[in-house]
Amino acid sequence: EDKVVQSPLSLVVHEGDTVTLNCSYEVTNFRSLLWYKQEKKAPTFLFMLTSSGIEKKSGRLSSILDKKELFSILNITATQTGDSAVYLCAVEAGGGGGADGLTFGKGTHLIIQP
Amino acid sequence: DGGITQSPKYLFRKEGQNVTLSCEQNLNHDAMYWYRQDPGQGLRLIYYSQIVNDFQKGDIAEGYSVSREKKESFPLTVTSAQKNPTAFYLCASSRVGLSYNSPLHFGNGTRLTVT
Repeated sequence: EDKVVQSPLSLVVHEGDTVTLNCSYEVTNFRSLLWYKQEKKAPTFLFMLTSSGIEKKSGRLSSILDKKELFSILNITATQTGDSAVYLCAVEAGGGGGADGLTFGKGTHLIIQP
Repeated sequence: DGGITQSPKYLFRKEGQNVTLSCEQNLNHDAMYWYRQDPGQGLRLIYYSQIVNDFQKGDIAEGYSVSREKKESFPLTVTSAQKNPTAFYLCASSRVGLSYNSPLHFGNGTRLTVT
């Protein structure tokens, strides 16, 4: 059975801090790893990673994948209150190449205090 | 703007009643999905469809049914056989193969409460 484990499950930091969220996985036939941000409603897409060691960056957010050690991290620098959300990690595996092969972690609930 | 519309936002039902959640997309995506989200749990796949008039069971299909008569629409019925139906339901769509330019897109969800 495919497994995706996110840590920590919740995190409270002060505005301006840097945070690192973790996602480890055990799946058969890895295809990609995706990060989403969920603020109460629809999860919104952040990154998709398929290759080890190549950092994806978008503003203050960045993510990297380690396919040897089977994990990914999501970094947020200079955090703002608008970064408060649940961050979801999902791993796509199997041969089909569709979202039916996605396994989601439980999410990290990040709270940024002013 | 292209997107996924779920309705209603909130739904209240009595135990024993079937209820249908609506999901419409105008992204021209072939594949559509229904997920259930419970507190402290990851998203779990209920049903998915990769083409009109065809759909497959996901990990937790028992007590649910779907139809895919049109490409744009993928309604989910929560039947009285679903033992614990109170949850947040998310509809999603994508091209059949995920890619950076075409990841999974989500609707805003329907919060169903059954008493």
